[in-house]
Amino acid sequence: QKEVEQNSGPLSVPEGAIASLNCTYSDRGSQSFFWYRQYSGKSPELIMFIYSNGDKEDGRFTAQLNKASQYVSLLIRDSQPSDSATYLCAVRGTNAGKSTFGDGTTLTVKP
Amino acid sequence: DTGVSQDPRHKITKRGQNVTFRCDPISEHNRLYWYRQTLGQGPEFLTYFQNEAQLEKSRLLSDRFSAERPKGSFSTLEIQRTEQGDSAMYLCASSPGQTGTTIYFGEGSWLTVV
Repeated sequence: QKEVEQNSGPLSVPEGAIASLNCTYSDRGSQSFFWYRQYSGKSPELIMFIYSNGDKEDGRFTAQLNKASQYVSLLIRDSQPSDSATYLCAVRGTNAGKSTFGDGTTLTVKP
Repeated sequence: DTGVSQDPRHKITKRGQNVTFRCDPISEHNRLYWYRQTLGQGPEFLTYFQNEAQLEKSRLLSDRFSAERPKGSFSTLEIQRTEQGDSAMYLCASSPGQTGTTIYFGEGSWLTVV
């Protein structure tokens, strides 16, 4: 079992819809959770981070964390074709060292 | 803020040759990370430094890989006797180093071993 698991997709949504991306992790001691977006051939760029249970909103993006279920999600409202990319979930443990990444979910937003 | 800088951006080398990548982190960041990413996979942790100290190295990393950060600023990642399986994007990232802070990636160095 991988430490961080994501559905590989592809996930396809129409423009203007809500895209929901999910991630589960195995280390109960994980403290910090991150979502990165990666366009083809480019490096990951940070979208959001979340540390506490509940929701965190930033513009069209909402991150949700449930530590009891070891689950973190990212919602993208009013999806745009420019949101088409691979979304990587990353988890950091208690030692504030490395972040462990999932293999990403590929999102396609169709005009 | 100049961001994380990596050099070279692309490298094609013959199998068996040695290659070295350089990373210059964001200036106020004392933590520096190296990751490797292949097609369809997420970034795989290789190693990280706090200042000049190498604090963790992946057990998956063979002895052909070595990283240094001699003065706590820039870092180099050397791969000796390259193999075709080393072909990947090598990502450098940095962070301020406090618990929970995010890491910021450079643009990556693409390695192709032929």
